[in-house]
Amino acid sequence: KQEVTQIPAALSVPEGENLVLNCSFTDSAIYNLQWFRQDPGKGLTSLLLIQSSQREQTSGRLNASLDKSSGRSTLYIAASQPGDSATYLCAVRGVKTSYDKVIFGPGTSLSVIP
Amino acid sequence: DVKVTQSSRYLVKRTGEKVFLECVQDMDHENMFWYRQDPGLGLRLIYFSYDVKMKEKGDIPEGYSVSREKKERFSLILESASTNQTSMYLCASSYSYKGSGYTFGSGTRLTVV
Repeated sequence: KQEVTQIPAALSVPEGENLVLNCSFTDSAIYNLQWFRQDPGKGLTSLLLIQSSQREQTSGRLNASLDKSSGRSTLYIAASQPGDSATYLCAVRGVKTSYDKVIFGPGTSLSVIP
Repeated sequence: DVKVTQSSRYLVKRTGEKVFLECVQDMDHENMFWYRQDPGLGLRLIYFSYDVKMKEKGDIPEGYSVSREKKERFSLILESASTNQTSMYLCASSYSYKGSGYTFGSGTRLTVV
C-alpha cells in the first residue's frame, strides 16, 4: 500500500532563505507526483506536476525534483518571501492505486518570517 | 482560466438537515472527487466519479451520497447532517489519462450545529 510522508511537519525560516521541503513515498511505481500549496481556509493550488519519466520541474522560484528509485521528491523554494507562508502538500498518483486515485502527504506548514 | 467551482465558501446547517454541496468544472475532466479535510487527519476521500452516472466509494463514504448527472457537475449529499460532519469539503477533478494532475476548488467550510 502506497504511503506518503512529509518531513518536517513545520518549518520556520527568515525571509530570503532558500529552503527544501521533502516528500517520501513507499512504492516507486507511480505515474506522477504533484506539489500543492494550501493557504488557511482555502483549497489546494497546484504548483508543479512531475511525470514519472521526468527528473525535475521548475516554475519561477520553485523547483521540484523526483527520484523514483529512492521514493523521494523535494520542493526547493529560492529566496523565500512572507507570501510563501502556507502548507505545502505532495500527492502521488500510483500505478497500483485503483481508479487513478492519488495519495496525499500530511503537508509541511511553512512560515517565512519578515 | 480553467476552474473547479464550489458553490459555497461557507455553510451553516442544522443537525438532521439534508445538505447539498455542488461542484462544477469547466475542463471536460472525466474524473471528479470529493474530499474532507480535518486538522490532524489530512485529506480523506469520500466519493469519486470516473464518468457520468458512475460513482465509487472512497475511504469514508458513510453518511454521504453523490450524484453526477452531467460530466461537469458532481454533487455531494449529506442525507441527514450531523455535527461530526463539520469540516472543510474539497472538490477536485482530473483527466482520466495517467499523467493528469488534479485541480481543486476553493473549498466549502461546513458547520453543522
